[in-house]
Amino acid sequence: AQSVTQLGSHVSVSEGALVLLRCNYSSSVPPYLFWYVQYPNQGLQLLLKYTSAATLVKGINGFEAEFKKSETSFHLTKPSAHMSDAAEYFCAVSDGTNAGKSTFGDGTTLTVKP
Amino acid sequence: EPEVTQTPSHQVTQMGQEVILRCVPISNHLYFYWYRQILGQKVEFLVSFYNNEISEKSEIFDDQFSVERPDGSNFTLKIRSTKLEDSAMYFCASTPTGYTEAFFGQGTRLTVV
Repeated sequence: AQSVTQLGSHVSVSEGALVLLRCNYSSSVPPYLFWYVQYPNQGLQLLLKYTSAATLVKGINGFEAEFKKSETSFHLTKPSAHMSDAAEYFCAVSDGTNAGKSTFGDGTTLTVKP
Repeated sequence: EPEVTQTPSHQVTQMGQEVILRCVPISNHLYFYWYRQILGQKVEFLVSFYNNEISEKSEIFDDQFSVERPDGSNFTLKIRSTKLEDSAMYFCASTPTGYTEAFFGQGTRLTVV
């Protein structure tokens, strides 16, 4: 069984500040890990993915995440927040045999203050 | 860029009625999925479909749900007798292989009244 815990249901940062969204996972097999972003009333857009290659993964819109097996973490960061980053962010985990079947975390709402 | 297309974007139905949610996955994809997201909650896996049969399903996917790929392009989710608690956003997704992340559609918001 797999699970994801996103620490902090709401994160608020100032524009230009560092964004850090936390995700810890549990998996009995080597995981695939994903971060998705969801804007209001829209679908899920993939930000980045880890599929057992490089542990530091770069995604779209300046986001990156680092896979740390020892900490079972996959935290999402962005050096400088933009107003347009305000959205809901979901961390998700899959196994390598049916990667499209993901278990999602509860989500973190990111607010960016001017 | 190819994308997963879902219709309708919003559907309102009476409790007890049957609804069919439609999806057109990306054309060369072989694995198909339905997820749902109740308002304000996380995204939940419902079912995966491969080689014209269900490959996995969750506890949510009970006998009132069914999926079908009636032709070479569409993938449908049927809810036989809708309940108020079926109100949610339903997402269709597809992948070309079992090793690739899901590509999601924009969702169908189902409202049961």
